[in-house]
Amino acid sequence: GDSVTQMEGPVTLSEEACLTINCTYTATGYPSLFWYVQYPGEGLQLLLKATKADDKGSNKGFEATYRKETTSFHLEKGSVQVSDSAVYFCALSSSGGYQKVTFGTGTKLQVIP
Amino acid sequence: DTGVSQDPRHKITKRGQNVTFRCDPISEHNRLYWYRQTLGQGPEFLTYFQNEAQLEKSRLLSDRFSAERPKGSFSTLEIQRTEQGDSAMYLCASSAQVSGANVLTFGAGSRLTVL
Repeated sequence: GDSVTQMEGPVTLSEEACLTINCTYTATGYPSLFWYVQYPGEGLQLLLKATKADDKGSNKGFEATYRKETTSFHLEKGSVQVSDSAVYFCALSSSGGYQKVTFGTGTKLQVIP
Repeated sequence: DTGVSQDPRHKITKRGQNVTFRCDPISEHNRLYWYRQTLGQGPEFLTYFQNEAQLEKSRLLSDRFSAERPKGSFSTLEIQRTEQGDSAMYLCASSAQVSGANVLTFGAGSRLTVL
C-alpha cells in the first residue's frame, strides 16, 4: 500500500538557518504530494502541494519539488524564523479511487532566536 | 463558513464507557474523513465518507468503532467499551479538489483520554 517516510526529528535550528526535511514515498500510479503543518495548539493545515512530476509547490517561503525518479518531496526553506516552529507532515493522495490521503510520522522543527 | 468543527474538544472517560464525537464539515465538501493521531505520530486513517456512504473503513479499526454520516452532512464517530489504548486525538477532515489535488481541511480534533 501507499506509504510516506520522513526524517525523524526533532530538528533544532537557529533563526535564519537553512532547512531541509526529507520525505520519500511509495505509491502506485501518480499520487499528489503535500506538506501539512501543525503549529502549537492548532490543527493541521495545508502548507503546499504538487500534483505531478517536476511540479514545485511553494508557500510562506517553503518549497518542495515532486521528484518521481527519486520518489521524493523534500521540504526546504532558505531562512527559517522562530514562527516556523511547528510539526511538519509529508503526505500523499493516491491517484485512484477516492484519493485516500496517507501521512508520514511528522518532523518537529524548533527554531531558536 | 467557519471551517470544520469538532465536538467535544476534550473527553475524559473511564474504561468500558461509550463515547461519541461529532464533526461538522465544510458545507460544500462531500468527502469526509476520520483520522486518529497519537503523540509523535502522523494521522492514521480510520474511515471515509462520500456524501452519506461510508466507502472505506480501516482494517485496523475494531468492531467497537462505528461512524455515520446521515444525510451526508455532519458525522459521528462512536467508540463502544473504550480501552486505554483508544486514548488519542480524533481528527475529522473534509475535502475538495483544488487544482486537481484532494486537499483536506482539518478540524481542531477531539482529544480522548481513557482512564
